Amino acid sequence: AQSVTQLDSQVPVFEEAPVELRCNYSSSVSVYLFWYVQYPNQGLQLLLKYLSGSTLVKGINGFEAEFNKSQTSFHLRKPSVHISDTAEYFCAVVGLSGGYNKLIFGAGTRLAVHP
Amino acid sequence: DTEVTQTPKHLVMGMTNKKSLKCEQHMGHRAMYWYKQKAKKPPELMFVYSYEKLSINESVPSRFSPECPNSSLLNLHLHALQPEDSALYLCASSRTGSGGVYNEQFFGPGTRLTVL
Repeated sequence: AQSVTQLDSQVPVFEEAPVELRCNYSSSVSVYLFWYVQYPNQGLQLLLKYLSGSTLVKGINGFEAEFNKSQTSFHLRKPSVHISDTAEYFCAVVGLSGGYNKLIFGAGTRLAVHP
Repeated sequence: DTEVTQTPKHLVMGMTNKKSLKCEQHMGHRAMYWYKQKAKKPPELMFVYSYEKLSINESVPSRFSPECPNSSLLNLHLHALQPEDSALYLCASSRTGSGGVYNEQFFGPGTRLTVL
């Protein structure tokens, strides 16, 4: 069965510092991985996705992630964060359930950017 | 148009009330989803509709009743809810796929439900 582990529940960081949000997955089938961001009182917005091809994936708002099959990781990075990046970040993997694809989310990482 | 809209944004209801949440998309997607998200938790899948037919019910209590009247609309009818049902309810849509193909889900902004 597919699962996702986000290793940090909270990540505090100062503005303009680099950040890495960690995500490990387990999957016995083809791997499709995603990072979503959720700003306060809003829905989910897709940051980036890995379906196949290049292991370095670039997303919106300056974020990128690297798919590492040997370490079963898909860590999210940004070289310089802004106050506006304060949000909840969810890593997700696609799993099969009853013949249908479903998104399986990690517990989330709260990124808090301080001035 | 890559937007999923949800109404209302906020809803407060008593335990004896009947209310409905609405979700709409005009992307031609034939798969639509309801998720429930409690505070500080990830979204949990509730229902999946494919071609207007219920495909997945993740053992959701019968006080939640989904409906897909056409390919653009998804409703969630609520009746006799409990305070613990208070949450953010998210709708999503996607293209349908087969053969292991995954199609990206687009999420709406959610309805914040409070049950008193």
